[in-house]
Amino acid sequence: QVQLQESGPGLVKPSQTLSLTCTVSGGSISSGGYYWSWVRQHPGKGLEWVGYISYTGSTYYNPSLKSRVTISVDTSKNQFSLSLNSVTAADTAVYYCASRQDYQLLFDYWGQGTLVTVSS
Amino acid sequence: DIQMTQSPSTLSASVGDRVTITCRASHNISSWLAWYQQKPEKAPKLLIYKASSLESGVPSRFSGSGSGTEFTLTISSLQPDDFATYYCQQYNRMGTFGQGTKLEIK
Repeated sequence: QVQLQESGPGLVKPSQTLSLTCTVSGGSISSGGYYWSWVRQHPGKGLEWVGYISYTGSTYYNPSLKSRVTISVDTSKNQFSLSLNSVTAADTAVYYCASRQDYQLLFDYWGQGTLVTVSS
Repeated sequence: DIQMTQSPSTLSASVGDRVTITCRASHNISSWLAWYQQKPEKAPKLLIYKASSLESGVPSRFSGSGSGTEFTLTISSLQPDDFATYYCQQYNRMGTFGQGTKLEIK
C-alpha cells in the first residue's frame, strides 16, 4: 500500500518560493502508471489541481499556475517536490500530494496535507 | 480549459434519504469523471471513477452515472457517515475539480 507524506515549511514570506516535498513509501516512485500530483485547497474552499510529474518524468501544470510552478522527482529518495515562486497570500492553502497507479490523473493515494501560510 | 460545475452547492437531507448531486462539464469529457468525498480536516477519498465504476471498499449505496457533459452521484440511502463534502473531477484533460457540494443533516 503506497503512502504519501508531505513535508516543508508552514510559513513562507510573500514574494519568496514555497517548497514542499512528498515522500513515497510502500512503492517505487519510478513504477509505471503513476502521475505524482500536487493538489491544493484554500481555507474553506474547494480543491485545485496544481500539476503532476509522471512515471516517465514528464510534467504538466495547471495553466493558472504554470509560470510559477515546478514539480521535480528524486528517485534516489523516492520523493517528488513542488516549487511555487513569487507567492502571495492567495497561495495560502493546504497542499496535498496525491496519486494513483492507473495511467490516469485521478487520486486514491493522498498525503495528510500540509498547511502553508504566506505571510510576512 | 474544462470547467466543472456542481449543483447544488449545499444539500440538506436526512438519514435514509436518496440524494443526487449533479456535475456538468464545459466540454465533452466522455466518461473520464471521478467523485470524491471529503470530511473536515481530512484528505479526499475516491468513491467513483470512470463515471460509474465503484472504487474498491466503497459501499454500494454510492453510484455514479452519466457521460459526455452531465454526470450524477447518487447515494441511495443516506447513512450518518455520509454527511460530508463531495467533489467531482474530470481527468479527460488535466484534472479539474468541481466547486463541491456540502451534504448537511436536515
